[in-house]
Amino acid sequence: DAKTTQPTSMDCAEGRAANLPCNHSTISGNEYVYWYRQIHSQGPQYIIHGLKNNETNEMASLIITEDRKSSTLILPHATLRDTAVYYCIVRALNTGTASKLTFGTGTRLQVTL
Amino acid sequence: NAGVMQNPRHLVRRRGQEARLRCSPMKGHSHVYWYRQLPEEGLKFMVYLQKENIIDESGMPKERFSAEFPKEGPSILRIQQVVRGDSAAYFCASSPEGLYNEQFFGPGTRLTVL
Repeated sequence: DAKTTQPTSMDCAEGRAANLPCNHSTISGNEYVYWYRQIHSQGPQYIIHGLKNNETNEMASLIITEDRKSSTLILPHATLRDTAVYYCIVRALNTGTASKLTFGTGTRLQVTL
Repeated sequence: NAGVMQNPRHLVRRRGQEARLRCSPMKGHSHVYWYRQLPEEGLKFMVYLQKENIIDESGMPKERFSAEFPKEGPSILRIQQVVRGDSAAYFCASSPEGLYNEQFFGPGTRLTVL
């Protein structure tokens, strides 16, 4: 799986949009971009994933550049409960089987009042 | 729908004892993954199992660690003769069949070796 690079930490004011960048310049054509977060030692929580089109769900939006070398996770209205470590993961999906997640160091997002 | 369940949530063992960690996947999920998170470190993949089969154990230490996912019952991660370096949070995840299969994580078991 391709390597990802994320900022170590970010701050965001409550109610504002949190934009978390991820660089994955070596991504292959069959690799998806996944985002998970881990809130204070809890089990990681799936947020969203995408291949090349932008994606949106009830939690967040995922914007992937046209060349797929980078992406941005957007939390449109951050709350204090969004304070967590956010992991950007590039993952190949093999036909008929699932594959492991390779977690990097992630971005520690601190949402403040 | 119940999520992924792990027990015990906290486990204390003395050096040399055995630790057994259990994971019940979400209903309908046939894939189970185990990850380990050492203190102040990121999560590391250990093993991936389907019912009665180990698919990928590339992250498992070669000695003392084993995992199983029997036809009936939970998945078990077993650590024999624990050492202090085994102290960590162990997370289990499950996923359903299919290509677009996000993994759902349990709350973890925190193992402390005295």
